[in-house]
Parts: sequence; structure tokens; C-alpha cells
Amino acid sequence: DVKVTQSSRYLVKRTGEKVFLECVQDMDHENMFWYRQDPGLGLRLIYFSYDVKMKEKGDIPEGYSVSREKKERFSLILESASTNQTSMYLCASSTTTGQHGYTFGSGTRLTVV
Amino acid sequence: GEDVEQSLFLSVREGDSSVINCTYTDSSSTYLYWYKQEPGAGLQLLTYIFSNMDMKQDQRLTVLLNKKDKHLSLRIADTQTGDSAIYFCAESLLNTGFQKLVFGTGTRLLVSP
Repeated sequence: DVKVTQSSRYLVKRTGEKVFLECVQDMDHENMFWYRQDPGLGLRLIYFSYDVKMKEKGDIPEGYSVSREKKERFSLILESASTNQTSMYLCASSTTTGQHGYTFGSGTRLTVV
Repeated sequence: GEDVEQSLFLSVREGDSSVINCTYTDSSSTYLYWYKQEPGAGLQLLTYIFSNMDMKQDQRLTVLLNKKDKHLSLRIADTQTGDSAIYFCAESLLNTGFQKLVFGTGTRLLVSP
């Protein structure tokens, strides 16, 4: 069963901590994405990557960075976590063209206290 | 511009039909998608429709596309309590060679017995 795996379902971190969210896909997909989901705002794209070591800013990249050292793994980094980054984070992947949609992970609910 | 709109809530009784509506803004969208998100989970692709089609049926699901009005709908026949979830529509935009998905805010469907 093909899938996108996010390493943690729930995380609680302190303000100012450096936070790593990990995502792995086993579908040999070229594209990978990080979204955050907040009530009433839907999904907002943070960063995406279309190849190893390549990254592009999405709609809300401020306060985040990403790393893609291997094709199957895409990491989201919060350099200094803040309470306004408390959210559900969703990772997704797709083929090069993406025409069959994205495959999503189960999400990581991050709480910053 | 990129904007996908959905109503926030829909409540139906078990056995009734549900119709979830969506409007999008980019007439060049090639594919339009419906995703389902159950509590605490990621998004699951339900179905998608190519922009040159006006209807697609898949078991209890019927997708209608009115390209002139940029209106997409998802009809669920014989709605069950297990259909309670958040439903997202998404339009695809061609961005540097791949399809970027823009999501709506999601419609929360509540099915009561």
C-alpha cells in the first residue's frame, strides 16, 4: 500500500525551540509539499520541492525552512517555534505532472507552548 | 487570481443526498479534485474530473462541473454517518511544469442518524 508517512502524529514544543517535522514517501514521487491547516483557513502551502535539493516557497514560508536531501524525504524546519505556529501540518507528494492529485500523510498536530 | 470557495457547514440526515458546492476562479484549471478528511487524519482523494468533462459518476459520488460559471459540486447519494468529514475541493494550476493544487477552505459535512 503506497503511502506518505509523517513521523509524529502529535508534538508539543516550547517557544523558541527548533522543530523538525519529517515526511517520507514510498511512491518515488518527484514533488513533495508541506501545508498547514487551520480552522476556517483551509490548507495553505508553506514550501514545496520538485527535485532533490530543490525547494520553492509557497504562500506562507515565513518562519519555516525545508530540506530535501533524498528523493523520498522532505523535512519541514521551524527555526524558532512560536505559538502562532501551533497547527496541523500536512505533507503530500505527487508525480512530476501532479495530474492525478496529491497523496497526503496523516498529519502532525503541533502545539507550541 | 487563486481563490477556491466553499460553504463551511452542511448538515443532512442519514439516507438523504448531500450536495457540496465549490466555486473556483481560474478558468485555465485542467483538473478539479474532491478530497475527504476524516477526524485526525490526512486528506484522501475521493475523485477528480478533467476540465473538458461536465459530469463524472463513481458509485455514490457524482461530480458536476459547470465551467462557464466555474462551479463544481459533489453529490453523495444515500449519505451515511461514515460520510461525516470535511470535504475539500481543489483546482489545479499549471506552475512551472507541474500541477499546483489550490484548496478551498473545506465543508464540514455532518450526517445525523
